Amino acid sequence: DGGITQSPKYLFRKEGQNVTLSCEQNLNHDAMYWYRQDPGQGLRLIYYSQIVNDFQKGDIAEGYSVSREKKESFPLTVTSAQKNPTAFYLCASRGAIVGRAEAFFGQGTRLTVV
Amino acid sequence: DAKTTQPNSMESNEEEPVHLPCNHSTISGTDYIHWYRQLPSQGPEYVIHGLTSNVNNRMASLAIAEDRKSSTLILHRATLRDAAVYYCIGGEGGGADGLTFGKGTHLIIQP
Repeated sequence: DGGITQSPKYLFRKEGQNVTLSCEQNLNHDAMYWYRQDPGQGLRLIYYSQIVNDFQKGDIAEGYSVSREKKESFPLTVTSAQKNPTAFYLCASRGAIVGRAEAFFGQGTRLTVV
Repeated sequence: DAKTTQPNSMESNEEEPVHLPCNHSTISGTDYIHWYRQLPSQGPEYVIHGLTSNVNNRMASLAIAEDRKSSTLILHRATLRDAAVYYCIGGEGGGADGLTFGKGTHLIIQP
């Protein structure tokens, strides 16, 4: 089935460790996105990529890094520089045709740093 | 993306229609109006989007005001599975920048 897959669903890490969240899509979408969601809040954009080997910072990029070596994959690394990394992380992809604007989201990764 | 304003929460009864309002007074002429919903501990799910005309799909209808400064998402017959946070977003329709999500409306459905 076509879709977007995030793994793992739950992740626990010790403070000071880097951690990488996986996001894979088989929808042939050019654009991919990472969002962060805190309890009771909306989604905030971390990074996005419109094409392979290119990505841009979103509203809250500090302490995060990404890569886009393949169209299907857009991993997010939460570095030790991120002051408050515990959150729900969501990956999305979207077609680039104007008007066909549906974004597809993964099921999310809940990261807890202890 | 255009700034949108939605009520924090709304309550409705099962099997009744639900009208979820959204104000987007700063929307530009080329901004689409998108609606997504999010169930607890899940990623958002696309509901519907439109530009100027009213839109219908299997999930909902979208009524857009003539001046495009507001819109209403209509669930024709709410079920318990429709209980979710509903986000209204005003933005360009292509795949460039990410969609900007506010806090949305928490829809509560009473049995």
